[in-house]
Amino acid sequence: DQQVKQNSPSLSVQEGRISILNCDYTNSMFDYFLWYKKYPAEGPTFLISISSIKDKNEDGRFTVFLNKSAKHLSLHIVPSQPGDSAVYFCAAIWNPSSGSARQLTFGSGTQLTVLP
Amino acid sequence: DVKVTQSSRYLVKRTGEKVFLECVQDMDHENMFWYRQDPGLGLRLIYFSYDVKMKEKGDIPEGYSVSREKKERFSLILESASTNQTSMYLCASSLPGQAGNEQFFGPGTRLTVL
Repeated sequence: DQQVKQNSPSLSVQEGRISILNCDYTNSMFDYFLWYKKYPAEGPTFLISISSIKDKNEDGRFTVFLNKSAKHLSLHIVPSQPGDSAVYFCAAIWNPSSGSARQLTFGSGTQLTVLP
Repeated sequence: DVKVTQSSRYLVKRTGEKVFLECVQDMDHENMFWYRQDPGLGLRLIYFSYDVKMKEKGDIPEGYSVSREKKERFSLILESASTNQTSMYLCASSLPGQAGNEQFFGPGTRLTVL
């Protein structure tokens, strides 16, 4: 059972407009959330994150919103640029009892295409 | 700058072969991870290690084993490759505890098992 879900496999937006990528989770033990971006034939790169004690985090054109009661987070990209075209993965962290490695649980990803 | 490197970008093997995927990181990170990425399934954790010689099973460890003899190197082993192990394999590393919220990924190895 997927604990982190990205229900939209793809999204197309016009250059300059807003892109909104959504993510839902089921595990209330998650305490930190991240978004990664992945280009073809490259590893994922970290984009932006948010702690569960916050509801918004902004970094330039990227803003992540967290709604804990709805177990929902979203990534807003404004304005969208063609170079933003990539697969975006939502990920959540929990702290298992064994060891000190905080594990990431990933969603299935959303392919964003920004049209010029 | 954190650098995670993987020994091969593309690999083609035959069913039943033993396959080694190597990962090296240069940032002295305690934690290292192996994932596979499949369409529609995202990244799934196979194994991770939080110290030399320590390993923990992830969500899908069946058919895989790992080795961590040195801090900077984490190997994924397919003892007898099968076609359903055709996938993109990604290695990652991180610091321990809260400092390790962000994982740094290598470029990936696309493995095809014929």
